[in-house]
Amino acid sequence: GIQVEQSPPDLILQEGANSTLRCNFSDSVNNLQWFHQNPWGQLINLFYIPSGTKQNGRLSATTVATERYSLLYISSSQTTDSGVYFCAASSGTYKYIFGTGTRLKVLA
Amino acid sequence: DTAVSQTPKYLVTQMGNDKSIKCEQNLGHDTMYWYKQDSKKFLKIMFSYNNKELIINETVPNRFSPKSPDKAHLNLHINSLELGDSAVYFCASSQALAGYLKQYFGPGTRLTVT
Repeated sequence: GIQVEQSPPDLILQEGANSTLRCNFSDSVNNLQWFHQNPWGQLINLFYIPSGTKQNGRLSATTVATERYSLLYISSSQTTDSGVYFCAASSGTYKYIFGTGTRLKVLA
Repeated sequence: DTAVSQTPKYLVTQMGNDKSIKCEQNLGHDTMYWYKQDSKKFLKIMFSYNNKELIINETVPNRFSPKSPDKAHLNLHINSLELGDSAVYFCASSQALAGYLKQYFGPGTRLTVT
């Protein structure tokens, strides 16, 4: 099955800094999502992005399916961006495989 | 107006007991899921139902039994609870459209087995 790897595992930023989170997957995928798990445990769907680029405010994501990776960009980070970011991929089935996440801490 | 809701939010119980977690979605989705998140935050799918039919059944002990009475509900019953079952259980739903499986998650149920 698909393997999903995320990097870096941990990231500490000063408020206002920019960052890029990476998700590599081992096989071709038809579905890819990015989630933010906030400090209260809630999983928020940030992007559904099997290919191409999308933007939502300070966040944007790019998936290059042919090269088997996806990137999540966070610009002008805020303390509320802290939490764990997950990518999840599936290859045409309902079975999403989650990466191990990137733990982000934004300092005021 | 909660899209995906779960009850209870917290569940503390003793080993050997039987417990259930309920999930409801009001998004009109056809597909629902159960995930388990362990203490290291690793998320793993357990089950998925599409239109009340089981479509994913991962390697889960048969003490775990999902039940979908209708498209909007997916419940999880756990028999003979063990210490290792302690985790956060998330319910999720998505539309059953090929090429568009965007998932929405419930708030989670933190299960502690003592």
